[in-house]
Amino acid sequence: DTGVSQDPRHKITKRGQNVTFRCDPISEHNRLYWYRQTLGQGPEFLTYFQNEAQLEKSRLLSDRFSAERPKGSFSTLEIQRTEQGDSAMYLCASSLDAHLARYNEQFFGPGTRLTVL
Amino acid sequence: AQSVTQLDSQVPVFEEAPVELRCNYSSSVSVYLFWYVQYPNQGLQLLLKYLSGSTLVKGINGFEAEFNKSQTSFHLRKPSVHISDTAEYFCAVSGVNSGNTPLVFGKGTRLSVIA
Repeated sequence: DTGVSQDPRHKITKRGQNVTFRCDPISEHNRLYWYRQTLGQGPEFLTYFQNEAQLEKSRLLSDRFSAERPKGSFSTLEIQRTEQGDSAMYLCASSLDAHLARYNEQFFGPGTRLTVL
Repeated sequence: AQSVTQLDSQVPVFEEAPVELRCNYSSSVSVYLFWYVQYPNQGLQLLLKYLSGSTLVKGINGFEAEFNKSQTSFHLRKPSVHISDTAEYFCAVSGVNSGNTPLVFGKGTRLSVIA
């Protein structure tokens, strides 16, 4: 078990460019979550998937943000036309489905730090 | 909806001294409560969780927390801290009966252990 991995770990981009981040969850986990963490704040939920189904996306910050999990394994988070305010740490987490237990721990990846110049 | 307030943004403490990090929550439903730790340039690691039962919960690295429903608090404590405990600590909440709903986090408390 290698844990949750995220790629890249760091991304520097210019304002207006598109960026895409990847998250590979723990292999048997069917739930996958994306959070954003800005400086001095706790993580803020963005969206989550159960297998390939996106169960909640109303918290995505704007229509410039989108996420996919096409085969129910890895997921990508895309930000189009980046703005300086998008600079943050983007965290991915995965867990087993709570249907299988009362509560299943969310395991977090190391995050992707985005800097928009 | 739930919210979490961590009352101290920074807590400096001398090595081997006790520490308490405070957390209060607000929710219209019953909740699960968590403490996570984040070391520099790393993701979050679960320290401990309260789901039900005993209100005193023990976690990893010698930490414990007590759930107080009447005061809507879940304070984290350690009787003797080490330099290696220097990190950011986050309190989080999730609604019961909602399965693995997304976590709602507080703003964090930076614990600095001084030699």
